[in-house]
Amino acid sequence: DIQVTQSPSSLSASVGDRVTITCRASQSISNYLNWYEQKPGKAPKVLIYAASILQSGVPSRFSGSGSGADFTLTISSLQPEDFATYYCQQSYNTPYTFGQGTKLEIK
Amino acid sequence: QVQLVQSGAEVKKPGAAVKVSCKASGYTFSDQYMHWVRQAPGQGLEWLGWINPSSGGTNYAQNFQGRVSLTRDTSISTAYMELNRLTSDDTAVYYCARAYGEFPFRFDPWGQGTLVTVSS
Repeated sequence: DIQVTQSPSSLSASVGDRVTITCRASQSISNYLNWYEQKPGKAPKVLIYAASILQSGVPSRFSGSGSGADFTLTISSLQPEDFATYYCQQSYNTPYTFGQGTKLEIK
Repeated sequence: QVQLVQSGAEVKKPGAAVKVSCKASGYTFSDQYMHWVRQAPGQGLEWLGWINPSSGGTNYAQNFQGRVSLTRDTSISTAYMELNRLTSDDTAVYYCARAYGEFPFRFDPWGQGTLVTVSS
């Protein structure tokens, strides 16, 4: 199975900050990496797919980069609605594994 | 708009089975695979498997082999997830999610989730 290690597990930041979350796969997965946002009591929502493509309707302050085994999600200027939990997910091979999640909290 | 609507919360006793439904609308149900993912309370996301609605073909995570069954009824655009021999560790929110796009695909959209509680 492909392991996906996400860091940090939690992050405290302020509105307007730039934040970066990283995801490392246990083997090369090309660009088969997606990022999701989940708010309490809600289903996850895709933000970025194929490592760097912004999902339609997602604000441009979100961006993704990377290929192979190392990936990043960046939020350029945090907004109040961005405080949530973020997950990466590899779609390269079954089982389609997720990172452990990063909980983004208000400082 | 594309929407997945799941059945309501369930409470089951250990050893029982549960069957959750996921009704799709706004797109051609047979065109995209349907996946199932679960999330235990306060925990991360765990993939269970997929079903090809067109052929009925399935692929299950090793952790659930022999205990999970994914089926579909194309006449009503509905996918089903049945999990047998429930234990307290199966208490979780279960989501269906459409696999959209060619490889690489992404899960979009997701159903609203179904809470399954296993308790004696």
